[in-house]
Amino acid sequence: ETGVTQSPTHLIKTRGQQVTLRCSSQSGHNTVSWYQQALGQGPQFIFQYYREEENGRGNFPPRFSGLQFPNYSSELNVNALELDDSALYLCASSLVGSGSFYEQYFGPGTRLTVT
Amino acid sequence: AQSVAQPEDQVNVAEGNPLTVKCTYSVSGNPYLFWYVQYPNRGLQFLLKYITGDNLVKGSYGFEAEFNKSQTSFHLKKPSALVSDSALYFCAVRDVDSSYKLIFGSGTRLLVRP
Repeated sequence: ETGVTQSPTHLIKTRGQQVTLRCSSQSGHNTVSWYQQALGQGPQFIFQYYREEENGRGNFPPRFSGLQFPNYSSELNVNALELDDSALYLCASSLVGSGSFYEQYFGPGTRLTVT
Repeated sequence: AQSVAQPEDQVNVAEGNPLTVKCTYSVSGNPYLFWYVQYPNRGLQFLLKYITGDNLVKGSYGFEAEFNKSQTSFHLKKPSALVSDSALYFCAVRDVDSSYKLIFGSGTRLLVRP
């Protein structure tokens, strides 16, 4: 296990609703990234937070937003849910600094179903 | 734009036989390459990475990968497959425009039969 935890494990929402997913990073890691994995596809980068600020964003609309807290836990918020938002949402933490790149450690994911 | 291709949706191999899961990449500059494995209802587990140095990289669970710059490939290998290796495998490359974003392939399902 990586030490990255996510909650909840599963979630069912109705189209148009809002959802908040949570992630707790591995101890000592200062960066968190969120990915969306649709069924049968590879993960797609949503955004990354470093020291509580957004540090990069993929091709996702503004209704996808996030937060990173001083304890390096993180939230992913999705407003106005659409059916296509149904996916596995993965959180990944890493330690970034001094020009080094460390591998990202993934949590078990939250399975979101939008009906 | 950076990209990763995994040309095989599924690879079938008998237990005890060697396995190869293929990956090719397209990046500008030097690639940072990764392999992850995903078991059912689980997140991704890191297997190995290539940053620089020796073209043969050794990773977790007996897996290794061979970096080939001329063929822009990074194939995952294991000398002797186990039934427990059956899972979904993803190749990924670091996006050179965003140091910490990973670009994933579509995944290859490995099925090891007893």
